[in-house]
Amino acid sequence: GNSVTQMEGPVTLSEEAFLTINCTYTATGYPSLFWYVQYPGEGLQLLLKATKADDKGSNKGFEATYRKETTSFHLEKGSVQVSDSAVYFCALSDSGQGAQKLVFGQGTRLTINP
Amino acid sequence: DTGVSQNPRHKITKRGQNVTFRCDPISEHNRLYWYRQTLGQGPEFLTYFQNEAQLEKSRLLSDRFSAERPKGSFSTLEIQRTEQGDSAMYLCASSPGTGDYEQYFGPGTRLTVT
Repeated sequence: GNSVTQMEGPVTLSEEAFLTINCTYTATGYPSLFWYVQYPGEGLQLLLKATKADDKGSNKGFEATYRKETTSFHLEKGSVQVSDSAVYFCALSDSGQGAQKLVFGQGTRLTINP
Repeated sequence: DTGVSQNPRHKITKRGQNVTFRCDPISEHNRLYWYRQTLGQGPEFLTYFQNEAQLEKSRLLSDRFSAERPKGSFSTLEIQRTEQGDSAMYLCASSPGTGDYEQYFGPGTRLTVT
């Protein structure tokens, strides 16, 4: 079945550091890919998405490019802030039986120190 | 648009008791999803409704679990004869279902079975 594998955490960085969180997927067909973020005490929020190969999703300084050849969707940010501390989930849409349900990775906890 | 709401936010119950959770999706979203998230893991798909029809159920959804969406608006998830392994965060999400794959998540209901 479809699956998502994320870089294991936790990840701790200093403010203004460069961030990469790796995500690779296994899927049949052509899923859409997503990054969701969960801030402390809050629900999951969509951070960015890409719906086809070579698309780049971007939001709040974060970027990720849909790489079909390497089945990857790595999350990057050039200069992180303390407010970026959260848990990040990579996900793909699985259209089995038309549900478009999401298949998530295990999450990566990010902590940014001032 | 007030977002997806879930009630209660927290539920503590004794093993063997029945519990019911409610989800109110964003109005006019015809797709509704339930997921379960255990500590340190990503959400896992449980079931999906399009309007009032339950179109897909995960193998995770044992016969102690039942979900309804009687009028295609709010949904309920009931767990009968709860077990300690049912302790988790139960997440609801809704989607417009018109080709937009983005799912909007509620804050979740945290269930603790003692």
